[in-house]
Amino acid sequence: DAMVIQNPRYQVTQFGKPVTLSCSQTLNHNVMYWYQQKSSQAPKLLFHYYDKDFNNEADTPDNFQSRRPNTSFCFLDIRSPGLGDAAMYLCATSRYTGGAVEQYFGPGTRLTVT
Amino acid sequence: EDQVTQSPEALRLQEGESSSLNCSYTVSGLRGLFWYRQDPGKGPEFLFTLYSAGEEKEKERLKATLTKKESFLHITAPKPEDSATYLCAVQIASGGSYIPTFGRGTSLIVHP
Repeated sequence: DAMVIQNPRYQVTQFGKPVTLSCSQTLNHNVMYWYQQKSSQAPKLLFHYYDKDFNNEADTPDNFQSRRPNTSFCFLDIRSPGLGDAAMYLCATSRYTGGAVEQYFGPGTRLTVT
Repeated sequence: EDQVTQSPEALRLQEGESSSLNCSYTVSGLRGLFWYRQDPGKGPEFLFTLYSAGEEKEKERLKATLTKKESFLHITAPKPEDSATYLCAVQIASGGSYIPTFGRGTSLIVHP
């Protein structure tokens, strides 16, 4: 089945220690998104790629970076995690052709910062 | 500013007790409204897309409806397995935007 895969599902890192989260998709979608979601809150968009074009949300901290080496893969790098970065990180994809587009989400990576 | 508001924040139902969740929005030019289901510790799962006022879509015990200002997710005779957080998101028809705005969700618990 076509899907969105995130690895790892759970990640524990130390305060200030860089961490990388990965996302892959078999849907061949042209848009990939990274969201941060904290308990009982709406998913917060960090950035997205439209094909290779990178789009950063204005309020995304500089501490967060992303790479999309090809259509299928996307990475979220947190350079110096703080305690406030503990959250669920969701990767999503969509096929944008000009109309309304539903998103397909991965299972998420739960990040704990100690 | 575009906004999506969901109510109630939390809802507890007895099995078989039908109810509705609300998603109200203030956007300029709606391209689509989406409903997602999110189970604890998992990513949201797409349920429905509604495009214009008057449209309705159904899936099992769920029925989504849309007016010019709000959408309802009606749950008929819910079962415990319907327990989840239901998220609403809107996409506006502006400059080729494909970025949805999410509401905070309604947490539904259905007791057996």
